[in-house]
Amino acid sequence: DQQVKQNSPSLSVQEGRISILNCDYTNSMFDYFLWYKKYPAEGPTFLISISSIKDKNEDGRFTVFLNKSAKHLSLHIVPSQPGDSAVYFCAASGVDSNYQLIWGAGTKLIIKP
Amino acid sequence: ETGVTQTPRHLVMGMTNKKSLKCEQHLGHNAMYWYKQSAKKPLELMFVYNFKEQTENNSVPSRFSPECPNSSHLFLHLHTLQPEDSALYLCASSQDRDYSNQPQHFGDGTRLSIL
Repeated sequence: DQQVKQNSPSLSVQEGRISILNCDYTNSMFDYFLWYKKYPAEGPTFLISISSIKDKNEDGRFTVFLNKSAKHLSLHIVPSQPGDSAVYFCAASGVDSNYQLIWGAGTKLIIKP
Repeated sequence: ETGVTQTPRHLVMGMTNKKSLKCEQHLGHNAMYWYKQSAKKPLELMFVYNFKEQTENNSVPSRFSPECPNSSHLFLHLHTLQPEDSALYLCASSQDRDYSNQPQHFGDGTRLSIL
């Protein structure tokens, strides 16, 4: 049973618009959430994270929102750029998972020019 | 430029072969990880080493054998693999295993194909 789910395998967004990537989780004991970005033929690269004591974290064009009651987090990219085209993974961890990162299956983001 | 280097980048082997994957990190981290990534699936954690000691083995078949001679190097020895073992194998490192807020840094992976 997947504890971290990314229900959209792919997402297509016009350049300059906002990209919103979603992630749901089932384990309320997770206390840290991370987003990674992966280009083809490369390993995942850490993008942004958020602690469960916060509901928003911003870094430049990237903002992560956490809704603990809904067990939902989202990554907003604005404005979207062609270089943002990649697969985005969300991951969660906590003492309950023995600090192991539990990963979603990824969402492929395509930015159209 | 990645601080985690994996070799080889691609490997094709028969089911009876023995081969090894190598990972080296130049970040001064104390924890290292092996992951398996199959198409359209989440990353699966295989092994974790913290300060050279194996701390996690997520029910990985014995045909995969890890080795961590020091905090900078990690190997995955492969023997008698099955076709379903074909996947991307990723190595990662982090400062320490026991803190949620430490991002893992990944290598570019070894694409393994079993004939």
